[in-house]
Amino acid sequence: DAGVTQSPTHLIKTRGQQVTLRCSPISGHKSVSWYQQVLGQGPQFIFQYYEKEERGRGNFPDRFSARQFPNYSSELNVNALLLGDSALYLCASSLDRYGYTFGSGTRLTVV
Amino acid sequence: AQSVTQPDIHITVSEGASLELRCNYSYGATPYLFWYVQSPGQGLQLLLKYFSGDTLVQGIKGFEAEFKRSQSSFNLRKPSVHWSDAAEYFCAVGVINNNDMRFGAGTRLTVKP
Repeated sequence: DAGVTQSPTHLIKTRGQQVTLRCSPISGHKSVSWYQQVLGQGPQFIFQYYEKEERGRGNFPDRFSARQFPNYSSELNVNALLLGDSALYLCASSLDRYGYTFGSGTRLTVV
Repeated sequence: AQSVTQPDIHITVSEGASLELRCNYSYGATPYLFWYVQSPGQGLQLLLKYFSGDTLVQGIKGFEAEFKRSQSSFNLRKPSVHWSDAAEYFCAVGVINNNDMRFGAGTRLTVKP
């Protein structure tokens, strides 16, 4: 079985731009969570979606949004990028609570 | 508020020596606890998790962890470290009302030959 897949693996954006990150969960997993990991720190929770509904939200500004599709894949959108948004963005999936099987992440660099 | 503390930022052990990584949590109820490992530039791999039951949990790669409610701890152990265990290790606690996980800052493990 394929694990959690994320795309793209790396990207570079300019301040003020918008970015969309994608995640495909493990087959059968209905929950997807998003985390931001700044270099040298532990991951910070951004969102959790289950059955296309938001079930949890971390302490991030409204520039961050997400959605989950009928096939349980998910997108994370970040608007008006700041230099401080540079990080590894991790997606995790699970059957229910606590998405805890992680993908390899998307490395976002904002310049 | 729920939180996780990993007191050791960096630990160095010799190959073949035993290992213990410390994790302390702050949580009002019985926590869900996790240990993850992360190699440079990679995602997180789940080593083991504790939800309930036996307080000694066995994980992958020969790791185990013990939940001690009285000490609010969930320390990770391995009897004999291999060079391939060098990585960053994260402890996390599950937060029930928001379905998120709070991670510690991580402990970087270096293995000497």
